[in-house]
Amino acid sequence: DGGITQSPKYLFRKEGQNVTLSCEQNLNHDAMYWYRQDPGQGLRLIYYSQIVNDFQKGDIAEGYSVSREKKESFPLTVTSAQKNPTAFYLCASSGSGGGKLRSYNEQFFGPGTRLTVL
Amino acid sequence: EDKVVQSPLSLVVHEGDTVTLNCSYEVTNFRSLLWYKQEKKAPTFLFMLTSSGIEKKSGRLSSILDKKELFSILNITATQTGDSAVYLCAVMDSNYQLIWGAGTKLIIKP
Repeated sequence: DGGITQSPKYLFRKEGQNVTLSCEQNLNHDAMYWYRQDPGQGLRLIYYSQIVNDFQKGDIAEGYSVSREKKESFPLTVTSAQKNPTAFYLCASSGSGGGKLRSYNEQFFGPGTRLTVL
Repeated sequence: EDKVVQSPLSLVVHEGDTVTLNCSYEVTNFRSLLWYKQEKKAPTFLFMLTSSGIEKKSGRLSSILDKKELFSILNITATQTGDSAVYLCAVMDSNYQLIWGAGTKLIIKP
């Protein structure tokens, strides 16, 4: 089945540790996105990538880093520089993917990773 | 600064009621407006609206866009407990970036 997967579902880390969140898609989408969602707030864009080996900062990129070495994968690293990393992280993708998913307008989301920093 | 504002922030109704959720926006270079439903995890796509006055329907849900007054509404008729969710509105700009509203939390009581 085509879709977006994120792992792990839940992640606990001690303060000061870097953590990497995985995002993989097999939809053949060109663009991928990372969002952060806090309680009672909308999604805020961290980073996005429209093509392999290229990515752009979103609205809240400080304390985060990404890579896009493969079209299918867009991992997010939460570094120790992120002051308040506890949140729900959502990965999304969009772009030409064939069939009814052929659209740059609609973003498809993974199930999310809930990160808790202790 | 681009912004999307949803109202109300939360809403509690009884099963069978009809609800209207609002989304207003101020976005430079508007491309489209999207509605998503978020239950516990990933938002799922409901509608994409690009033209004013054309209603999109899917079962008991419908939505319309007014590009002159810069808002959209999402209607849900004959609500069911399964409609309980956070409904998110997002506006896409000319760079295909989404600006998100904070969402409306809808609770349907049996």
